[in-house]
Amino acid sequence: TQLLEQSPQFLSIQEGENLTVYCNSSSVFSSLQWYRQEPGEGPVLLVTVVTGGEVKKLKRLTFQFGDARKDSSLHITAAQPGDTGLYLCAGGSYGNKLVFGAGTILRVKS
Amino acid sequence: NAGVMQNPRHLVRRRGQEARLRCSPMKGHSHVYWYRQLPEEGLKFMVYLQKENIIDESGMPKERFSAEFPKEGPSILRIQQVVRGDSAAYFCASSPGGPHGYTFGSGTRLTVV
Repeated sequence: TQLLEQSPQFLSIQEGENLTVYCNSSSVFSSLQWYRQEPGEGPVLLVTVVTGGEVKKLKRLTFQFGDARKDSSLHITAAQPGDTGLYLCAGGSYGNKLVFGAGTILRVKS
Repeated sequence: NAGVMQNPRHLVRRRGQEARLRCSPMKGHSHVYWYRQLPEEGLKFMVYLQKENIIDESGMPKERFSAEFPKEGPSILRIQQVVRGDSAAYFCASSPGGPHGYTFGSGTRLTVV
């Protein structure tokens, strides 16, 4: 069974601070995705990374896929209250099914 | 271009009743997935379907739960004889297949009273 562990589970920071969320597994994934979910809504895809060592940037968000394709990180620079939400990583296998981590709840205080 | 449509958004059922959750995938997406989520937790995989076929149902409870994705019409997740422990948010997602992200619906929040 493939498992993804996310850390930290909960993060409360002040506006303007930087933060990093980690997603780790003992399994190799064909792709790794990050989603953001707001209360009462479904998750929204932020990024997909497929190549070991790949780095993608989305404005203030930087996503990295580990060289061995077992882990990933999400770094947010100068966090804003609008970044508040549940961040989920998800690993893809060659059978299309995604396995989700338990999520990181981020609260950014103004 | 409509996204993934789920209905109803909220569903209240008494213990022992049946719950039917519907999901229409994005246009052009032939892969449908159902996930269950408890408050402030991650998503637990339930079932993966393509048209008229169940591809992977390893996350489905053995009893009372079933899913279908007919040739015509939406995918249906059916829960028979609901119990309080079935209360959760149920999300449907679709994809075109391959290493592409999912598009999720807004979910159905099932409350069993």
